[in-house]
Amino acid sequence: GQSLEQPSEVTAVEGAIVQINCTYQTSGFYGLSWYQQHDGGAPTFLSYNALDGLEETGRFSSFLSRSDSYGYLLLQELQMKDSASYFCAVEDRDDKIIFGKGTRLHILP
Amino acid sequence: KAGVTQTPRYLIKTRGQQVTLSCSPISGHRSVSWYQQTPGQGLQFLFEYFSETQRNKGNFPGRFSGRQFSNSRSEMNVSTLELGDSALYLCASSLKADNYGYTFGSGTRLTVV
Repeated sequence: GQSLEQPSEVTAVEGAIVQINCTYQTSGFYGLSWYQQHDGGAPTFLSYNALDGLEETGRFSSFLSRSDSYGYLLLQELQMKDSASYFCAVEDRDDKIIFGKGTRLHILP
Repeated sequence: KAGVTQTPRYLIKTRGQQVTLSCSPISGHRSVSWYQQTPGQGLQFLFEYFSETQRNKGNFPGRFSGRQFSNSRSEMNVSTLELGDSALYLCASSLKADNYGYTFGSGTRLTVV
């Protein structure tokens, strides 16, 4: 079967750094992406990794290790507005995009 | 440019009825995918259309169907509604069916009573 595992909830303090992990088991793999969704809003695209390594986009970075079927999203200098759910997603060999169940990020002042 | 537009935003139906949801992708985007989102289950893939052809289908019963028109607009239909079909239905579009840069609509919140 296909699955993506990520923690259901993570709590961090404003100004700190937090890492959200994602492990995947899919039939084929073309890339790992991350999406952010605020309550009542639509998921919005954050980042995409097709190759091993770290991709940085402002305060957000995403890492991929294809050999470990593992990736993470790193959020730095946390702000209250970063409180949201974060989803990892994998494109499998059939070109389907499979999403994880999401990680709820709580930020404390 | 206009984003992905889903209509209606909210819908209340009774069990046994059928419903049709609409999605207008970003102009120029030919790939449209549909997802069901429920608390604790994340986004579950329903189906994906590219240039009017269904390329992929998720593990949902045949009551769930969809189609795409020549202008890339897409509709999904759910027949014989069940209480468990209550969910947020999201549509996403992209230039091509890859993992980069999906743009989601705000969704249709369907409540079945």
